[in-house]
Amino acid sequence: EDKVVQSPLSLVVHEGDTVTLNCSYEVTNFRSLLWYKQEKKAPTFLFMLTSSGIEKKSGRLSSILDKKELSSILNITATQTGDSAIYLCAGGTSYGKLTFGQGTILTVHP
Amino acid sequence: DGGITQSPKYLFRKEGQNVTLSCEQNLNHDAMYWYRQDPGQGLRLIYYSQIVNDFQKGDIAEGYSVSREKKESFPLTVTSAQKNPTAFYLCASNPGTGITDTQYFGPGTRLTVL
Repeated sequence: EDKVVQSPLSLVVHEGDTVTLNCSYEVTNFRSLLWYKQEKKAPTFLFMLTSSGIEKKSGRLSSILDKKELSSILNITATQTGDSAIYLCAGGTSYGKLTFGQGTILTVHP
Repeated sequence: DGGITQSPKYLFRKEGQNVTLSCEQNLNHDAMYWYRQDPGQGLRLIYYSQIVNDFQKGDIAEGYSVSREKKESFPLTVTSAQKNPTAFYLCASNPGTGITDTQYFGPGTRLTVL
């Protein structure tokens, strides 16, 4: 059975702090690792990492895939209150399924 | 505007009733998915469909049913056999598994059993 585990499950920081969210996966026919941000309703896509793209960056957010360790991290620098959300990690397979982790609840205080 | 719509936004059901959640997309995506989200448990896959008139069970299909008669529509029925249906239901779509693994989500339906 495919499994994705995220840590920590929740995190409280102050504005300006840097945070690192972790994701480990055991996914048969693994093809990609995806990160999503969920603020209130629909998760919104952040990054997709594959063998041909193991590092992605967008503004203050960056992510790295470690295929040897079967893990990924999501870094957020200079956090803002608008970064408060649930961050979801998912492992993608060659047959079109995603397996999601439990999510990390990030709270950024002013 | 292209996107995924779900209706209703909130749904209340009495025990023993079947209810149907709507999911429509105008993105011309081949694949569609239904997930259930409970607090602290992330998203769990209920059913998915990669082509019209075909669908597969996900990890928690018991007590649910789906149909895929049109490319743009993938309704989910929560039957009375589902023991604990109160949850947040998310529909997603994907252009096609040979194109990208990225799934795009609708706004969700919150179902409460009274």
